[in-house]
Amino acid sequence: ELKVEQNPLFLSMQEGKNYTIYCNYSTTSDRLYWYRQDPGKSLESLFVLLSNGAVKQEGRLMASLDTKARLSTLHITAAVHDLSATYFCAVELASGSRLTFGEGTQLTVNP
Amino acid sequence: DGGITQSPKYLFRKEGQNVTLSCEQNLNHDAMYWYRQDPGQGLRLIYYSQIVNDFQKGDIAEGYSVSREKKESFPLTVTSAQKNPTAFYLCASSIPGLQETQYFGPGTRLLVL
Repeated sequence: ELKVEQNPLFLSMQEGKNYTIYCNYSTTSDRLYWYRQDPGKSLESLFVLLSNGAVKQEGRLMASLDTKARLSTLHITAAVHDLSATYFCAVELASGSRLTFGEGTQLTVNP
Repeated sequence: DGGITQSPKYLFRKEGQNVTLSCEQNLNHDAMYWYRQDPGQGLRLIYYSQIVNDFQKGDIAEGYSVSREKKESFPLTVTSAQKNPTAFYLCASSIPGLQETQYFGPGTRLLVL
């Protein structure tokens, strides 16, 4: 059974600081996704990582995938308040199959 | 505009009542999915369908039923057998085989009266 674990689950950081969210998974896969969820809202796709060593960047967020370590990271650079949200990683074992989600990391960026 | 719509936004269920949540997409996606999200938790898969007239159970299918009679529609029925239905329900769709993510609808919040 595939298990996906994120840490930390809660993250409070100051504006301007850097931090990394980790996503570990238990079964070999080279398909990993990052989503953002604002309170009471649906999920918004951030990154699609489909190979070992994949790195994607958008603004202050950068995601990477190490399939050998079964690890993905979401790095936040110079955080701003607008990044406050819950971030989920999700793993797909094969194209078109189901996603298995991590528990989510609730990020709060304080002024 | 292409996208996924879910209705209603809020739904109230009485004890012993079956209720149906609607999910429609005009993205021409083959695969559709239903997830349940409890407060402060991640998403859990209820049912998914990769093609019309076919669907599979996810991790928490008990107390739920689905149908996939049309490519663009994947309604979810929460039956009276689901004893704790209060949650946020999210529908998603995707095209299997393409390097794309799943796209999510706006969600339906189900509350028990």
